[in-house]
Amino acid sequence: EAGVAQSPRYKIIEKRQSVAFWCNPISGHATLYWYQQILGQGPKLLIQFQNNGVVDDSQLPKDRFSAERLKGVDSTLKIQPAKLEDSAVYLCASSLERVSEQYFGPGTRLTVT
Amino acid sequence: KQEVTQIPAALSVPEGENLVLNCSFTDSAIYNLQWFRQDPGKGLTSLLLIQSSQREQTSGRLNASLDKSSGRSTLYIAASQPGDSATYLCAGNTNAGKSTFGDGTTLTVKP
Repeated sequence: EAGVAQSPRYKIIEKRQSVAFWCNPISGHATLYWYQQILGQGPKLLIQFQNNGVVDDSQLPKDRFSAERLKGVDSTLKIQPAKLEDSAVYLCASSLERVSEQYFGPGTRLTVT
Repeated sequence: KQEVTQIPAALSVPEGENLVLNCSFTDSAIYNLQWFRQDPGKGLTSLLLIQSSQREQTSGRLNASLDKSSGRSTLYIAASQPGDSATYLCAGNTNAGKSTFGDGTTLTVKP
């Protein structure tokens, strides 16, 4: 069974630029999560999708972050414009259902200079 | 609002020792709790998922327990090996699937 795929693995941008991350969940998984992990901390949930609908985006900074899940499969997370404090690893995870075991991708390490 | 705490932040043990990692949560209305392992520069690997109706789960040398009434979960690692060196994270999950993570315990097993 293929795992959660993410790209790119690394990205370096200057502040005020825009960036997009892509995630392909495990086939058949209805729930998809995007997390932000700052060095030395645990992941923080940004947004949760159930199929192609948003379940929870209460911690998503909506003035600069946006996300979508096309046809309930792949998902894209965008930051525009980026700030220095957005430097972090962005993790995508998926689960069969909302309360099932979560499986994580390798993450995208973002550096904003 | 759920808060999850993992103490200590770092732990170093000699190879072969049995050890316990701790995870505390403030909201006892969790649906399940999941333990993960994270190697440097990598994503999270699921170790064990324990439901609120269960008291413990076992996988190989790992055993996780859950006590909702006290707001605690423990991860027991038997006969530790250098390959167990990693950061261990716990996450408390609501019945809507929302996860709150601790900041992890970084384990070093010395040969």
